[in-house]
Amino acid sequence: NAGVTQTPKFQVLKTGQSMTLQCAQDMNHNSMYWYRQDPGMGLRLIYYSASEGTTDKGEVPNGYNVSRLNKREFSLRLESAAPSQTSVYFCASSIRGRASQEQYFGPGTRLTVT
Amino acid sequence: QKEVEQNSGPLSVPEGAIASLNCTYSDRGSQSFFWYRQYSGKSPELIMFIYSNGDKEDGRFTAQLNKASQYVSLLIRDSQPSDSATYLCAAPRVDTGNQFYFGTGTSLTVIP
Repeated sequence: NAGVTQTPKFQVLKTGQSMTLQCAQDMNHNSMYWYRQDPGMGLRLIYYSASEGTTDKGEVPNGYNVSRLNKREFSLRLESAAPSQTSVYFCASSIRGRASQEQYFGPGTRLTVT
Repeated sequence: QKEVEQNSGPLSVPEGAIASLNCTYSDRGSQSFFWYRQYSGKSPELIMFIYSNGDKEDGRFTAQLNKASQYVSLLIRDSQPSDSATYLCAAPRVDTGNQFYFGTGTSLTVIP
């Protein structure tokens, strides 16, 4: 039981390049989330998927797109990377899309955009 | 005003002391609160959650909630060097229920 996995762990991009961050969970959770974490800013929600087949914007969605490929997988795409997107990205999942449920986090992807 | 606010610290306590971490929130409708611990370079992990006014104890950890004052705290008794981490307070967004607001975290160092 791996929990929440993310790939890649590290990535360096040049401005304007694109990439997709992958996330998968094996806990049969319904809800999945993408956060970014920046110094002094805490965790900020980018997008979330309350259940398979649905996605919604979070607090900071600009410059990102997501795909809920199936119940297990939730990917985050940067179409044209910008230095402001340099951050640590965490994927998380929870049993269902209710605020009372614990979120389990993946190990994170450290992205640098030059 | 941010939805969830924490004193960023850093907070230093000697080994064996009580560490007190505080969090305030702005939405009076918030019903549940979560404390996550995050070691440097690692991902957050849940250590406590609390729904009701008053105290909730789990081992060396006690979460306290005061809804009238919109205040939630985490006490760590008999602090150990392994407790050195950043502690994040989180509360769900009341209108959607699917989103969490996280505080910026309080950095705790326990000095041996």
